[in-house]
Amino acid sequence: QKEVEQNSGPLSVPEGAIASLNCTYSDRVSQSFFWYRQYSGKSPELIMSIYSNGDKEDGRFTAQLNKASQYVSLLIRDSQPRDSATYLCAAGGLYNFNKFYFGSGTKLNVKP
Amino acid sequence: DTAVSQTPKYLVTQMGNDKSIKCEQNLGHDTMYWYKQDSKKFLKIMFSYNNKELIINETVPNRFSPKSPDKAHLNLHINSLELGDSAVYFCASSQEVQRGPQETQYFGPGTRLLVL
Repeated sequence: QKEVEQNSGPLSVPEGAIASLNCTYSDRVSQSFFWYRQYSGKSPELIMSIYSNGDKEDGRFTAQLNKASQYVSLLIRDSQPRDSATYLCAAGGLYNFNKFYFGSGTKLNVKP
Repeated sequence: DTAVSQTPKYLVTQMGNDKSIKCEQNLGHDTMYWYKQDSKKFLKIMFSYNNKELIINETVPNRFSPKSPDKAHLNLHINSLELGDSAVYFCASSQEVQRGPQETQYFGPGTRLLVL
């Protein structure tokens, strides 16, 4: 079983809609969670980090964490074509030297 | 100024050759990483160094040898390259983590390695 799982997509949404990206993880000691965006041929760049249960909002992005269900999600409001990319979910545990486990990513297509 | 830089950006070589990839960060971070991203976009940790000391060493063939001359540099040397080594290799860095929540990792632009 993979440590972090994501639906590979592609997830297609129309411009202006809400895109919902989901991620589950298997390690109960995971404490820190990160969403990275990766454009084709580019490196991953951080979108958001979340450490506590609940929602965390930053502009059009909202990360949601539910540790009991081992579930992390990223909502993108008012989706734009520039949001089209692969979104990588990463989980990190305690006392493991900042070792991240990445999911294989969900490809998002925002159609104009 | 680029925060995490890698050279070369592209590397095309023959099977059996030896090659090196260099990474430098100017963020003042103590911890650096090497990741391999395969054709399916799966990003997997290979090594991590904290202040020149190896702290993460995943199940990687011993043909791969990381070297950290100082905390701002982490190089990756690969001996006897194989077809399966073709991938994108990313360097990353972060603040040192002792305990508690993990620190954000910042990635370099990647080195696209193609072994023929």
